[in-house]
Amino acid sequence: GQNIDQPTEMTATEGAIVQINCTYQTSGFNGLFWYQQHAGEAPTFLSYNVLDGLEEKGRFSSFLSRSKGYSYLLLKELQMKDSASYLCAVERTNAGKSTFGDGTTLTVKP
Amino acid sequence: DGGITQSPKYLFRKEGQNVTLSCEQNLNHDAMYWYRQDPGQGLRLIYYSQIVNDFQKGDIAEGYSVSREKKESFPLTVTSAQKNPTAFYLCASTPRLSYNEQFFGPGTRLTVL
Repeated sequence: GQNIDQPTEMTATEGAIVQINCTYQTSGFNGLFWYQQHAGEAPTFLSYNVLDGLEEKGRFSSFLSRSKGYSYLLLKELQMKDSASYLCAVERTNAGKSTFGDGTTLTVKP
Repeated sequence: DGGITQSPKYLFRKEGQNVTLSCEQNLNHDAMYWYRQDPGQGLRLIYYSQIVNDFQKGDIAEGYSVSREKKESFPLTVTSAQKNPTAFYLCASTPRLSYNEQFFGPGTRLTVL
């Protein structure tokens, strides 16, 4: 079976750094995605981790530990537009299907 | 510009009626997916298709049906057998099945009255 856990809500201040954690238990694992979703809109791709370690892309970084079933998304220099839901998704080994967590709603305050 | 289109953005139907949601992509992607999202929750996979004339059930296929007669199109029918059809429906595609980020359409918000 699949189980993905993320915090439901987080709040941070503009200009700060925030780390959103994701833990997973899965019977098959290919890789882990992070998506950003603004309210009422479609998710957009942020990152994809297959190997252990940190992947950096501008203000966003994503980390994966396969042995621990753990990932995090790090957002630096927070901006108001970063207020959104952040979805962690595990890609399963059977036919490339992904299982999504319930998402973390991040609110950035001035 | 290439992309995925879903129409309409908002859809209202009476209970007991079947309704078909459209999804079209011009990205030349082989694989297409349908997800359902309920408030405060993540995406749950309804059906997916890796090639024309082939599709597989996802995690919550009951009460839904799909077809894949053309590479560009993957319509979803919400039947009267679906007990709680009110939700936000998202269509997505990838170049092929596996190891790809998903490209999402804008979604259709279905409300059954």
